[in-house]
Amino acid sequence: EVNLVESGGGLVNPGGSLRLSCAASGFMFSAYAMTWVRQAPGKGLEYVSSISSSGKYLYYADSVKGRFTISKDDAKKSVFLQMNSLRADDTAVYYCARSNSTVGGYYFDSWGRGTLVAVSS
Amino acid sequence: VLTQSPSASASLGASVKLTCTLSSGHSTNAIAWHQQQPGKGPRHLMKVYSDGSHNRGDGIPDRFSGSSSGAERYLTISSLQSEDEADYYCQTWGTGIGVFGGGTRVTVL
Repeated sequence: EVNLVESGGGLVNPGGSLRLSCAASGFMFSAYAMTWVRQAPGKGLEYVSSISSSGKYLYYADSVKGRFTISKDDAKKSVFLQMNSLRADDTAVYYCARSNSTVGGYYFDSWGRGTLVAVSS
Repeated sequence: VLTQSPSASASLGASVKLTCTLSSGHSTNAIAWHQQQPGKGPRHLMKVYSDGSHNRGDGIPDRFSGSSSGAERYLTISSLQSEDEADYYCQTWGTGIGVFGGGTRVTVL
């Protein structure tokens, strides 16, 4: 059974940094791309970032480009999201999702339960 | 890129059909449907192709089905149950970047 567990969320001051982790189990982690998606309170899902299975290709939403960095460690079966220069509008629950490669991109076939990031002074 | 109606409702045991409309330039894209029950993380339901075929995710009951017509992709939920009350999001992709529709909240009457 696929299992994705996010961690690392919390309360951080504007301008601060946070590193999210997503631990995967139940599938061959190295064979899959992975994606972070967020959901602000009371809002819909928003794409954040993806990393290809090889780690070679990285993709970011315009709203986080230059501030967030995605990475993965196949040995640890984990994907990470380094978030710098955090702003109030980054406040959201952050989900990691296993990503199936298809023509032009990825669709997300398994999801974690999320970790809450709150940016406030 | 993706447009969804904000809300839909139907009676217990009835059917409801949700629509996701792709913008021009993306009208042949496949999409994925995801369900988010209150207080929970999303769950992948299925992938729907432009030819109308669909692939349900693991463990998704056949009460959930997908179809297409032109730039529209549909999710039909039959024999509505109380646990189907949730938000439903369509999702597509382009040059590696994912895109979500605004979501449709389904209420079971």
